[in-house]
Amino acid sequence: AQKITQTQPGMFVQEKEAVTLDCTYDTSDPSYGLFWYKQPSSGEMIFLIYQGSYDQQNATEGRYSLNFQKARKSANLVISASQLGDSAMYFCAMREIQAGTALIFGKGTTLSVSS
Amino acid sequence: DTEVTQTPKHLVMGMTNKKSLKCEQHMGHRAMYWYKQKAKKPPELMFVYSYEKLSINESVPSRFSPECPNSSLLNLHLHALQPEDSALYLCASSQISGRLDEQFFGPGTRLTVL
Repeated sequence: AQKITQTQPGMFVQEKEAVTLDCTYDTSDPSYGLFWYKQPSSGEMIFLIYQGSYDQQNATEGRYSLNFQKARKSANLVISASQLGDSAMYFCAMREIQAGTALIFGKGTTLSVSS
Repeated sequence: DTEVTQTPKHLVMGMTNKKSLKCEQHMGHRAMYWYKQKAKKPPELMFVYSYEKLSINESVPSRFSPECPNSSLLNLHLHALQPEDSALYLCASSQISGRLDEQFFGPGTRLTVL
C-alpha cells in the first residue's frame, strides 16, 4: 500500500489565486513528520514546510501553509497568492520515527501558474 | 551555510567508464543520502550514511559504490553503468537520521549513460 498519496498529477491556477495540493498518508507510527518539497525544472529539491505528528497548530511559512487533519491523515499544502515562479513539481513526503524510515515521497503534483 | 553542493552538474559517460559524483555540506549534518530520480517521478532512496557509516542500502546494484570519507563529503562511484541508470542523482543531508529534521538537497547531477 502506498504510504503517501498525491491524487492530483497536475494543477492549473492563475496568478494571485490560492491553490491547494492534496496529500494523504498512511502510517501506524505515532511519531512522524510530514514535509513538502518544491522541485523546479532545474532539478533542485527545495524544502517548503514541515508538520510534526504531535504539533497542535498547522504549520505556516510565508505564503505556504499546511492544512493538517490528523484523523483524516491528510496534510494538504496551501499556497496563497500564487506567483509564476511557483510553477514546479511539488512532493509530499513522510518520515516515521519508530519504523526508522528515511523520507517516503508521494508521486508529486505538477503546478502550473499562468498570468 | 545552508547549502549542499554537488559536482559535476552534468555527466555523460559510456558503459565502460568509471566516474564519481561528489557531494559536500558544511552544516554539521551527520546523515547524508543519495537518491536517484527519473523524469516526472519522485526521488528513490539509494543509500543513507549516519556518522560516516553506511546504514541503509536499498538493494542498489554494485555498479554504484558509495563512500563517505568524512562528515562533510559523500561520493558515489560509478562503474559499468547501463543506459537505464541515466537519471538525476540527488544528494541530501540532515541532522542524524532518526529525528524529524528536514533534509537539505543539493542541485543534483544529471547523468547520461551512452
